Amino acid sequence: KAGVTQTPRYLIKTRGQQVTLSCSPISGHRSVSWYQQTPGQGLQFLFEYFSETQRNKGNFPGRFSGRQFSNSRSEMNVSTLELGDSALYLCASSEGPGSPLHFGNGTRLTVT
Amino acid sequence: GQNIDQPTEMTATEGAIVQINCTYQTSGFNGLFWYQQHAGEAPTFLSYNVLDGLEEKGRFSSFLSRSKGYSYLLLKELQMKDSASYLCAVKDSNYQLIWGAGTKLIIKP
Repeated sequence: KAGVTQTPRYLIKTRGQQVTLSCSPISGHRSVSWYQQTPGQGLQFLFEYFSETQRNKGNFPGRFSGRQFSNSRSEMNVSTLELGDSALYLCASSEGPGSPLHFGNGTRLTVT
Repeated sequence: GQNIDQPTEMTATEGAIVQINCTYQTSGFNGLFWYQQHAGEAPTFLSYNVLDGLEEKGRFSSFLSRSKGYSYLLLKELQMKDSASYLCAVKDSNYQLIWGAGTKLIIKP
């Protein structure tokens, strides 16, 4: 099976712009989660989707949003980018609750 | 609040054994995961514990004590390729994963 695919791998944006990141889960996985990772920080949970419904949401401002499509692919959007949004954004899919997460290689976002 | 604690960094020698500890305080418990993350790469799944005791998988073992809110990852016969960050994560009562900041393991020849 193909693994979790995230696009793009690298992105450079300026403050105030918006960005959309894409994630294709492993075939058959219906749960997709998004995380932000910055140096020295643990993985910070953004949100989780299951069958097109947002099941959980982390403590991030409303500028961060996401959605999941009927084919389980997911997108994450960040509007009005700030310098502090520079990070590695990881997407992970799983078969369901209690199942291990399988991570994509991430999108490294740099905001200048 | 919910909290996962792990040492920030550990150093060990090639061929030796190292134990990475993780303590947690979460609202509910639905399992504990260990992941390995090499620099610049995505985390990869190592182990899952939901019942007390030791789970062995090759050179890696993971232990859980739910009453103590404690787990450890044991790595035997260390190899240079084991140099990585090791992440502990707990699923709370809402099945949300709470992550530790990770332990950077440095292996020296």
